[in-house]
Amino acid sequence: DTEVTQTPKHLVMGMTNKKSLKCEQHMGHRAMYWYKQKAKKPPELMFVYSYEKLSINESVPSRFSPECPNSSLLNLHLHALQPEDSALYLCASSPMGLAGNNEQFFGPGTRLTVL
Amino acid sequence: AQSVAQPEDQVNVAEGNPLTVKCTYSVSGNPYLFWYVQYPNRGLQFLLKYITGDNLVKGSYGFEAEFNKSQTSFHLKKPSALVSDSALYFCAVRDPRSGGYQKVTFGIGTKLQVIP
Repeated sequence: DTEVTQTPKHLVMGMTNKKSLKCEQHMGHRAMYWYKQKAKKPPELMFVYSYEKLSINESVPSRFSPECPNSSLLNLHLHALQPEDSALYLCASSPMGLAGNNEQFFGPGTRLTVL
Repeated sequence: AQSVAQPEDQVNVAEGNPLTVKCTYSVSGNPYLFWYVQYPNRGLQFLLKYITGDNLVKGSYGFEAEFNKSQTSFHLKKPSALVSDSALYFCAVRDPRSGGYQKVTFGIGTKLQVIP
């Protein structure tokens, strides 16, 4: 299985809602990533987990809360979002390695709209 | 600090003609370079990468890229474009000293339009 899956595909939420995005991979990758992508822009790194531990937080607002419950799953919990948070949220994974020369495998993304 | 530049917002090419999508990079030391493609409302798909060795790298779907250290470039090429190649292409660079996971810097993307 060489696929990264993301659910849901689309999500519409109000600014007071709490919701979660889910990402799953079964390739044995020990690095997992959350990106935010606005239309016609490159992906912006939000978080990196390596071996289920948070390694990078790119100064993301606390209304985004990541969680890595095991080596195959990555969640992004959303609370009190703003309309400007509307974007495509991409999950990715890659093998870990000292050389760090491995490509990332991306999921199809969750299209989030905040009303 | 690492950075990558894609100087063209859009590239138009006729079907059957060769295509080039340009990328230049800036990084201390020897870079790891990647090309990804994104179709509308989809995630990114890996095309190819340069780590070391042969400067001409072959990848998926008939794409190739040439690493040129003196010009700090990594242009994506294909000998004969297909309409189905129309998509958004991202160049990415990773400083090999930044650890075992992939903290990459993406370019702004180049939209490739192949005209039938």
